[in-house]
Amino acid sequence: AQSVTQPDIHITVSEGASLELRCNYSYGATPYLFWYVQSPGQGLQLLLKYFSGDTLVQGIKGFEAEFKRSQSSFNLRKPSVHWSDAAEYFCAVDANNDMRFGAGTRLTVKP
Amino acid sequence: DTGVSQNPRHKITKRGQNVTFRCDPISEHNRLYWYRQTLGQGPEFLTYFQNEAQLEKSRLLSDRFSAERPKGSFSTLEIQRTEQGDSAMYLCASSRWERESSTDTQYFGPGTRLTVL
Repeated sequence: AQSVTQPDIHITVSEGASLELRCNYSYGATPYLFWYVQSPGQGLQLLLKYFSGDTLVQGIKGFEAEFKRSQSSFNLRKPSVHWSDAAEYFCAVDANNDMRFGAGTRLTVKP
Repeated sequence: DTGVSQNPRHKITKRGQNVTFRCDPISEHNRLYWYRQTLGQGPEFLTYFQNEAQLEKSRLLSDRFSAERPKGSFSTLEIQRTEQGDSAMYLCASSRWERESSTDTQYFGPGTRLTVL
């Protein structure tokens, strides 16, 4: 079965700084890839997704992610973080209708 | 589009009691998913439906867990004889799956937080 690894449990960045959240997956083929964000006590909101085509995908709230097949990675980036971006971020892979999530990365934003 | 809704938002129960949660998907979505999320973890898939058919249930956590979607619209998740280890957030998601594209995007509800005393 596929698996998802988010190596960073917690990241702290200053407001206005750039951000990169890492995601690696294990699967024999290219799965569908997603990033979700979860604020405390809330459900998950979809930020962006990759199914096929252009490996750089744009999402909401100024986020983007790049699929790198050779590295089995799908890292999330944002050029300038806002205080409202503080939340938990989850990478997910869907292979044959089997959705697996990483353990999440908690983002703290310093003023 | 009102989004996925879940009720109740919070449930406190005593060990051994049965609980039932409801999920109302986005109206045109044909698939509905249930997940469990424990503290500090990502969601863990439990089961899903396409219309009224339950297509995967092998990952329900035990035989105390069951789910239904009798008319292909809302769904219920029941936990019988609850245990303290069942305390978690239970998330529902829905999607519009189309055979032609074989892709779908899941949209999540706010979850039901269960506390078993």
